[in-house]
Amino acid sequence: SQKIEQNSEALNIQEGKTATLTCNYTNYSPAYLQWYRQDPGRGPVFLLLIRENEKEKRKERLKVTFDTTLKQSLFHITASQPADSATYLCALDPRGGGQGGKLIFGQGTELSVKP
Amino acid sequence: EAGVVQSPRYKIIEKKQPVAFWCNPISGHNTLYWYRQNLGQGPELLIRYENEEAVDDSQLPKDRFSAERLKGVDSTLKIQPAELGDSAVYLCASSLVGTDTDTQYFGPGTRLTVL
Repeated sequence: SQKIEQNSEALNIQEGKTATLTCNYTNYSPAYLQWYRQDPGRGPVFLLLIRENEKEKRKERLKVTFDTTLKQSLFHITASQPADSATYLCALDPRGGGQGGKLIFGQGTELSVKP
Repeated sequence: EAGVVQSPRYKIIEKKQPVAFWCNPISGHNTLYWYRQNLGQGPELLIRYENEEAVDDSQLPKDRFSAERLKGVDSTLKIQPAELGDSAVYLCASSLVGTDTDTQYFGPGTRLTVL
């Protein structure tokens, strides 16, 4: 069956450390994978997209990797801050080929950064 | 630029009652999505519109849910009659057709509680 799974348990880290969140998928061949941030009571907000032919993408303190052999994406936040505390969602296009039009979301990982 | 607007933000109803949610997407975005998000889960697509046409409604429980998108802009999602299991956050999102990456912009959602 097709699945997309993220760390099921909340991640608690100390301010200044690097947070690493995992997204694994099975039986999909996505052309790209996206990461979103969701704060309580709000809708998800797009952060980063990485394509199947890209190994790594960076944006400020954020870094995403994409390993299509392992079927895994890692999302890193370096020099984490309490303001980074939120739920992070990964999403992929289930049909592959960059056809557009549909995303499947993981269940999200809750990150808490303590001062 | 205004984001995706949804109303109401909160709704509490008795089971078997009808309820409707409204969404106004970002101006110029002609793809609109309705998602349902249960507590601790990622958003799950209910229906996707391209302009006025519902191009993916495979996950919409059609016995009680209906949706429309008037003139390819605003959209309404209706549940009639509501059941206890419909309690969730209903998210609307929009994106720009013509890109291949489905970056979606979400509204704040409507939190529905069915008693």
